[in-house]
Amino acid sequence: GDSVTQMEGPVTLSEEAFLTINCTYTATGYPSLFWYVQYPGEGLQLLLKATKADDKGSNKGFEATYRKETTSFHLEKGSVQVSDSAVYFCAIPSGGSQGNLIFGKGTKLSVKP
Amino acid sequence: EAGVTQFPSHSVIEKGQTVTLRCDPISGHDNLYWYRRVMGKEIKFLLHFVKESKQDESGMPNNRFLAERTGGTYSTLKVQPAELEDSGVYFCASSQDWRRHYEQYFGPGTRLTVT
Repeated sequence: GDSVTQMEGPVTLSEEAFLTINCTYTATGYPSLFWYVQYPGEGLQLLLKATKADDKGSNKGFEATYRKETTSFHLEKGSVQVSDSAVYFCAIPSGGSQGNLIFGKGTKLSVKP
Repeated sequence: EAGVTQFPSHSVIEKGQTVTLRCDPISGHDNLYWYRRVMGKEIKFLLHFVKESKQDESGMPNNRFLAERTGGTYSTLKVQPAELEDSGVYFCASSQDWRRHYEQYFGPGTRLTVT
């Protein structure tokens, strides 16, 4: 079945460091790809998305490129801030048409000043 | 615009008791989803409503879980009787309609602890 594999955390970085969180997926066809973020005490928020191969999603300084050939959607940010501390989830739509999402396990990021 | 709200934020109950979780989606959103995250695991889909109808409940773990969506507005998820393995964070999400059903807005979750 469809699945998402996300790098295990936690990840601890110093402010202004470069961030990469790896995400690969297994799915039929070419699904849309999503990154969600959960800040402490809040619900998940859609961070960015890409709907077709080679698309780059971007938001708040984060980027991820839809790589069809490697079935990957790695999240990157050039210079992290303390406020980026959160749990990040990679997700794909389920194989059906009903709209539910399949998530990775989540990666907890802590950014130290 | 108010976001998705969930109540309670935390619930601690004993094994065998009943708990009811509530979700209020964004006004006007036809689609409502329940998900669950057990400690250290993935967020797993439970079920999906379109308005008041259950569209997909393939993720419901067993018949101890009962979900309803009254009049296509708020939804409740009842666990009766609760078991230890039901502990986790229960998320509710909503989306506008079938054209944007993957753009889901999540609530903060209800943390359920069964002791």
